[in-house]
Amino acid sequence: SQQGEEDPQALSIQEGENATMNCSYKTSINNLQWYRQNSGRGLVHLILIRSNEREKHSGRLRVTLDTSKKSSSLLITASRAADTASYFCATFGNNRLAFGKGNQVVVIP
Amino acid sequence: DAGITQSPRHKVTETGTPVTLRCHQTENHRYMYWYRQDPGHGLRLIHYSYGVKDTDKGEVSDGYSVSRSKTEDFLLTLESATSSQTSVYFCAIASGSTDTQYFGPGTRLTVL
Repeated sequence: SQQGEEDPQALSIQEGENATMNCSYKTSINNLQWYRQNSGRGLVHLILIRSNEREKHSGRLRVTLDTSKKSSSLLITASRAADTASYFCATFGNNRLAFGKGNQVVVIP
Repeated sequence: DAGITQSPRHKVTETGTPVTLRCHQTENHRYMYWYRQDPGHGLRLIHYSYGVKDTDKGEVSDGYSVSRSKTEDFLLTLESATSSQTSVYFCAIASGSTDTQYFGPGTRLTVL
């Protein structure tokens, strides 16, 4: 069954704005990961946050994790047209990675 | 793409025929995974391997088998393809079970 569930499903923003995506999950996890997929390509890992971490940064990305609420958020600051992609959260638990259905983000130049 | 290739990249086949997809890595990673991606379902794990000849089922393993006879190759076989197996198949590798996974470019399979 799907572990991660992203919200919102689709997001359209202007270049330079921030984009925020949320992910909720149901069971205990070891870590939570975010991936990006450009159209017709494989997934690319963006950032991993462990269950004992609350916030992590990588370049223009900021991820938060709230294990009490079983939720995570991904913030992309100062978005660029090249950020147009689908974004997936994935939770690691029970010896496997379980992916959400993904968020489609369109950045308008 | 992190030294991981998939072949073929595209395949059209008929219902009832056997199909084998190949994943090849040059990273010497222990873990290898097969996923399928379908609209509305995200990525779902089919099978994975945690070493040569060591494999386990994922959440959608029915109708699929896998083999791993050497570290670098992980094969996914559809013994008798059905239209419901029309999908995009991704292979992924990881050095550790909880680590980042690196994905191949995908194989688009159409079963008529």
